[in-house]
Amino acid sequence: SAVISQKPSRDICQRGTSLTIQCQVDSQVTMMFWYRQQPGQSLTLIATANQGSEATYESGFVIDKFPISRPNLTFSTLTVSNMSPEDSSIYLCSVAQTGANVLTFGAGSRLTVL
Amino acid sequence: GNSVTQMEGPVTLSEEAFLTINCTYTATGYPSLFWYVQYPGEGLQLLLKATKADDKGSNKGFEATYRKETTSFHLEKGSVQVSDSAVYFCALSDPYSSASKIIFGSGTRLSIRP
Repeated sequence: SAVISQKPSRDICQRGTSLTIQCQVDSQVTMMFWYRQQPGQSLTLIATANQGSEATYESGFVIDKFPISRPNLTFSTLTVSNMSPEDSSIYLCSVAQTGANVLTFGAGSRLTVL
Repeated sequence: GNSVTQMEGPVTLSEEAFLTINCTYTATGYPSLFWYVQYPGEGLQLLLKATKADDKGSNKGFEATYRKETTSFHLEKGSVQVSDSAVYFCALSDPYSSASKIIFGSGTRLSIRP
């Protein structure tokens, strides 16, 4: 399965700032996903990052708050904009294994907003 | 809609104890069922899966049986080791949807004492 590198692994940010998380995959993949895992909560899908077109956002998530880039088939970024303490979470990048409903995940980026 | 409910943690056991982590689901149709594991500092990875009723998924000594009559997919291991300490997520997907429609439970943290 694909190997995913995410950075930063963790960061502490000030309220009102923005942070960009990078996700690099060691092979070309069609579908890349961004998830959020709030403390003590399940994983929630933020959006699907599509190469060559805008990301597809899930209900409750908007592009202005979570802009996503997908410049090629191995890389994506997620920006958390105008952060508040409620944005403190682990953000996870994932890809789908070819031909299967099975996901591979990066190690996650743990974000703390003060 | 589809949902997954799993046993709340943390669960603490002694080495060589028997493990059960309960998972029940609500879904229309016949979903595929998964257990993912997240070891400290790593991304989620697939532990096992089952795609139809009465299937048994198994890996690394862990087993789970797809029980349609009780809508359950409980994770079991006969003799746990310290290296099994991790967070375990139950998940389901509609086999006719894309990987973006995988729904996760809230996770169960397992700690094994030597």
